[in-house]
Amino acid sequence: EAAVTQSPRSKVAVTGGKVTLSCHQTNNHDYMYWYRQDTGHGLRLIHYSYVADSTEKGDIPDGYKASRPSQENFSLILELASLSQTAVYFCASRTGGSQYFGPGTRLTVL
Amino acid sequence: GDSVTQTEGPVTVSESESLIINCTYSATSIAYPNLFWYVRYPGEGLQLLLKVITAGQKGSSRGFEATYNKETTSFHLQKASVQESDSAVYYCALGENSNNRIFFGDGTQLVVKP
Repeated sequence: EAAVTQSPRSKVAVTGGKVTLSCHQTNNHDYMYWYRQDTGHGLRLIHYSYVADSTEKGDIPDGYKASRPSQENFSLILELASLSQTAVYFCASRTGGSQYFGPGTRLTVL
Repeated sequence: GDSVTQTEGPVTVSESESLIINCTYSATSIAYPNLFWYVRYPGEGLQLLLKVITAGQKGSSRGFEATYNKETTSFHLQKASVQESDSAVYYCALGENSNNRIFFGDGTQLVVKP
């Protein structure tokens, strides 16, 4: 029933390792987003996409890649995870001016 | 730039008391701002609580209200009588229909004591 799902819901990674976070939406929305949230702060935009096979940089793209292989799926890739990337990551899809969020992935980099 | 500032949490109130969470915005690149309140319950993702796209209008949902005040650039969230189930983090946000961006405040944690 959930329209935006994320996997995994939590992950522990080692510094320098590769991490892939996945997002799937059944809203049939064109736009999808990846945000990170640090404790006590708002959401900051990492990457977004408005069509399959195309991604755009947000406000804080350094250290992250994104992939949109289909309208439904949008992945966030950390090629070399670092301690500073410990955060909660949210995926969202958009229609009109409103965004709809997944439950989040808690990533801990050790 | 475009930004949102809201009440710093945590905000603690007793059940059945009234609530106000302040939100002010700056919209320098957005000609016609849309204003949002999102809520994040423990263990869940952000949910859209209410949205107002026209200055002077009021939005309401689940007993919460917010009025879009263009003169004071504010969009305060209010509720007359809170319940313990309202405990969550509330985010004020700013966006535009023709713009693919939404700018979020830092969030305000609300704790409602029984």
